[in-house]
Amino acid sequence: AQSVTQPDIHITVSEGASLELRCNYSYGATPYLFWYVQSPGQGLQLLLKYFSGDTLVQGIKGFEAEFKRSQSSFNLRKPSVHWSDAAEYFCAVGADDKIIFGKGTRLHILP
Amino acid sequence: NAGVTQTPKFRILKIGQSMTLQCAQDMNHNYMYWYRQDPGMGLKLIYYSVGAGITDKGEVPNGYNVSRSTTEDFPLRLELAAPSQTSVYFCASSLGVPSEQYFGPGTRLTVT
Repeated sequence: AQSVTQPDIHITVSEGASLELRCNYSYGATPYLFWYVQSPGQGLQLLLKYFSGDTLVQGIKGFEAEFKRSQSSFNLRKPSVHWSDAAEYFCAVGADDKIIFGKGTRLHILP
Repeated sequence: NAGVTQTPKFRILKIGQSMTLQCAQDMNHNYMYWYRQDPGMGLKLIYYSVGAGITDKGEVPNGYNVSRSTTEDFPLRLELAAPSQTSVYFCASSLGVPSEQYFGPGTRLTVT
């Protein structure tokens, strides 16, 4: 069965530091992969997606993610975080007619 | 475009009451979804629809019902509210597969 694992429930980084959020998926076929962000009290917003082609994808707000088939991973990165990046981040895999979401990683930013 | 809209934003129900959560989209998307979000649990799919007149169960359908009479609307019905249905409910839509989903702002429901 398809599944998504985000091993880190919470991550704290200092403002200006680099960020990497981990995501591993389980899916038999070529995956369609997504990262969404949710600010408090809001719905989810798409950061970036991977369907095919270049395995390094660029998204909004300066985020990027790299698809590594051999590791079944799709980690999200940002070179320098801003206080406004504090939010919850969800990795997701497209499966049949649905999208399967991970449980999320909450990002805290230290001033 | 308003995107995906949900009403109400907040609601408190007593145990055993019924209600309908409304969801509408103006993007002419065929696919629509209902999720519930509980703290630390991510999003769980309740029901989804791939077009008007077609609905299917997701991971946690018990206690809920849906209908899809038009492309635009996808209401979620709670018939006999239970405390376990206290949650935040999100509606989403997409053009098809594969495609990203667009989310509404959510409905926070409390059952007491």
